[in-house]
Amino acid sequence: QKEVEQDPGPLSVPEGAIVSLNCTYSNSAFQYFMWYRQYSRKGPELLMYTYSSGNKEDGRFTAQVDKSSKYISLFIRDSQPSDSATYLCAMKTGGNEKLTFGTGTRLTIIP
Amino acid sequence: DGGITQSPKYLFRKEGQNVTLSCEQNLNHDAMYWYRQDPGQGLRLIYYSQIVNDFQKGDIAEGYSVSREKKESFPLTVTSAQKNPTAFYLCASSMALRAYEQYFGPGTRLTVT
Repeated sequence: QKEVEQDPGPLSVPEGAIVSLNCTYSNSAFQYFMWYRQYSRKGPELLMYTYSSGNKEDGRFTAQVDKSSKYISLFIRDSQPSDSATYLCAMKTGGNEKLTFGTGTRLTIIP
Repeated sequence: DGGITQSPKYLFRKEGQNVTLSCEQNLNHDAMYWYRQDPGQGLRLIYYSQIVNDFQKGDIAEGYSVSREKKESFPLTVTSAQKNPTAFYLCASSMALRAYEQYFGPGTRLTVT
């Protein structure tokens, strides 16, 4: 079983819809949770990081962490065609500087 | 402009040859990282360095080597011992002890035939 599981998609939604992207994990020692956006053939771009549980909002993006369920989510409001990309979740314990990545979810926003 | 540069964008090599991928950053970051990305797999850590002249193996270090002689530079050598070197290679950097806030370069696509 992988430490971090992420549905690869692909996920297609109409423009303007709310998108929900999710990851589950098995390592209860994870304390930092990150979301990256990666356009085709480009390097990942950090969208948000959260520490421990709770919500964090940045513009149209909201990251949510539920440590009791070992489940994290990224919500995108008012989705735009420019949001079409692969979204990667990543996690880190407090004890070292290594990240564990999910495999990524490919998202397409249909105009 | 501050950022991370990787060169070249595409690299082609014959089997049995060593090849070095370049990574430079002008963000004044202490820590630098090398990842490999394959289709259907998450990013996997090859090596990382938290300070000049020091580096640690990641999860898939076999067949790779690195050096960190300058804060700005962290080149990766893919040796002939790497059994499956064709992949997309990504370099990242972060401030010290802030691996949760890594910034990535544009990547180098290496094809070995």
